[in-house]
Amino acid sequence: ETGVTQTPRHLVMGMTNKKSLKCEQHLGHNAMYWYKQSAKKPLELMFVYSLEERVENNSVPSRFSPECPNSSHLFLHLHTLQPEDSALYLCASSQNRDNSPLHFGNGTRLTVT
Amino acid sequence: GEDVEQSLFLSVREGDSSVINCTYTDSSSTYLYWYKQEPGAGLQLLTYIFSNMDMKQDQRLTVLLNKKDKHLSLRIADTQTGDSAIYFCAESTGGGNKLTFGTGTQLKVEL
Repeated sequence: ETGVTQTPRHLVMGMTNKKSLKCEQHLGHNAMYWYKQSAKKPLELMFVYSLEERVENNSVPSRFSPECPNSSHLFLHLHTLQPEDSALYLCASSQNRDNSPLHFGNGTRLTVT
Repeated sequence: GEDVEQSLFLSVREGDSSVINCTYTDSSSTYLYWYKQEPGAGLQLLTYIFSNMDMKQDQRLTVLLNKKDKHLSLRIADTQTGDSAIYFCAESTGGGNKLTFGTGTQLKVEL
């Protein structure tokens, strides 16, 4: 059982919808991450939060909006997405941002129609 | 820039050893990781090695690092059907725990 829980597991949304992905970690970690996994491409880092402060935004379009209300929870708010945004969105956490290993959730499979 | 490369597929017979290879380009890598991804799941951390080490063994897993050639390998002894998955190599460079992942190697274990 993973210490990082993501909901929902699957999400289908239209291009005009607004939805949110949720991530919760039960490991007492201080850093949380959003990654995008598309077919036949390496994992892409989207956002990094450390102690609830966003420390990295990897040129992600503004239709993706992260939120980290506390060190255990991370959200990814979605609006006006495109079909090419369909992917597996993975949340991860680590003890700190000093080379401590990342622990991943099982991801949310997003399909944009 | 940073680049991590892996072969796409590997097929082995149950009980044999599997060796999954990875090459990277950034000589300033500090940690190198191996992750396993089963269908419908996220990435599971298998093991990792610090860049000043040559080898790390953990039960059936052996990691070898050749820093001169920037080559990392993962050996799985006595491979089982439950080892069938995609294996990702990743390197951590620069500050801030930024990982660069390879595209993954699909391991298929045949009976």
